[in-house]
Amino acid sequence: DAGVIQSPRHEVTEMGQEVTLRCKPISGHNSLFWYRQTMMRGLELLIYFNNNVPIDDSGMPEDRFSAKMPNASFSTLKIQPSEPRDSAVYFCASSLSGGATDTQYFGPGTRLTVL
Amino acid sequence: KQEVTQIPAALSVPEGENLVLNCSFTDSAIYNLQWFRQDPGKGLTSLLLIQSSQREQTSGRLNASLDKSSGRSTLYIAASQPGDSATYLCAVMASGGSYIPTFGRGTSLIVHP
Repeated sequence: DAGVIQSPRHEVTEMGQEVTLRCKPISGHNSLFWYRQTMMRGLELLIYFNNNVPIDDSGMPEDRFSAKMPNASFSTLKIQPSEPRDSAVYFCASSLSGGATDTQYFGPGTRLTVL
Repeated sequence: KQEVTQIPAALSVPEGENLVLNCSFTDSAIYNLQWFRQDPGKGLTSLLLIQSSQREQTSGRLNASLDKSSGRSTLYIAASQPGDSATYLCAVMASGGSYIPTFGRGTSLIVHP
């Protein structure tokens, strides 16, 4: 298995532009997580899905952020409009069922820079 | 709200040393605790997962212990090697709700030859 796949790996954009990050979880995994990592705040969970349904989005910072999972093999995280403070590394992770015994497998991340 | 603290924030040791990384958490009602490794520019890789009913887990030169009552976990690395250089994060999954982990800020480890 190729593991969790994220694209793009790097994104540089200007303030106000729309940014879309993509994730393909490991085949057969039913839970998907989006995280953001910054020096200031560390690793924070933004949202997680189970069986394509958003279960907890309490970590989504504001309405500018939205996430979708149209099917079991694809998810997007969209920021519109983007701001410099959104600059961070965004990770996607997946697990078998999202349960207490499951290990999360992380993708390589997308490094976002908003100028 | 669960808070996870890792000490030290950074550590530099010579090759061959045995070392201990510490993780503490404020709410002892947890499902599990997990240790991850993160290499520069990469995602996280799970090293060890300890269920709340367990006291420790071992994998090769790594041993992780869990003391729920005191809210502490340690990751012991035996005979450290330069290839162990990375950031090590612990994550605690609190019980009683959705299965969302809370991560510590990590310990940045450098093992020099």
